[in-house]
Amino acid sequence: QKEVEQNSGPLSVPEGAIASLNCTYSDRGSQSFFWYRQYSGKSPELIMFIYSNGDKEDGRFTAQLNKASQYVSLLIRDSQPSDSATYLCAVDSGSARQLTFGSGTQLTVLP
Amino acid sequence: DAEITQSPRHKITETGRQVTLACHQTWNHNNMFWYRQDLGHGLRLIHYSYGVHDTNKGEVSDGYSVSRSNTEDLPLTLESAASSQTSVYFCASSESPEGREVGYTFGSGTRLTVV
Repeated sequence: QKEVEQNSGPLSVPEGAIASLNCTYSDRGSQSFFWYRQYSGKSPELIMFIYSNGDKEDGRFTAQLNKASQYVSLLIRDSQPSDSATYLCAVDSGSARQLTFGSGTQLTVLP
Repeated sequence: DAEITQSPRHKITETGRQVTLACHQTWNHNNMFWYRQDLGHGLRLIHYSYGVHDTNKGEVSDGYSVSRSNTEDLPLTLESAASSQTSVYFCASSESPEGREVGYTFGSGTRLTVV
């Protein structure tokens, strides 16, 4: 059973701070890693993907991947109240194209 | 603009009835997926398809079926609805150029209640 683990939270950070979200996965064959944001009552929205070890930056978001340790993280700089949502980590199954999702981390950014 | 739409948005049905949830995408994506989302379980894969006439079972496929007769549609059928199938259902589509997944686009979801 392929597993993707996230701390469920809730994680609270003050406005302007850095929010750090973490995810570990069990399948060493995984090649593609994704972060989705889901607002309450809405569908998941893709915000970042990363394929290679290291960091990938997009605006206020940075995804970090360490395949040797089997973890992927998401940093949100200058957090805003509008970033308050559940963040889902998703990992592919190596050669297969299905994604396995973690159960999500609920983030609250306090004004 | 391309989109992926699900219908209905909300559905209440009785135990034992057959229910079909619709998913239609205009992205021309080959890959389509059905997930259910429940508190404490996250998103779990029900069925998926990589092209016309291709369907595969996911992690929680018991009691569900799908068919893919064209690129645009992947309807999900609950053969005999059970209370355990009360959930929010999401359809998603994607492309995977050179075999690498580039991320799903999700529909807006269907909230199904079985009473």
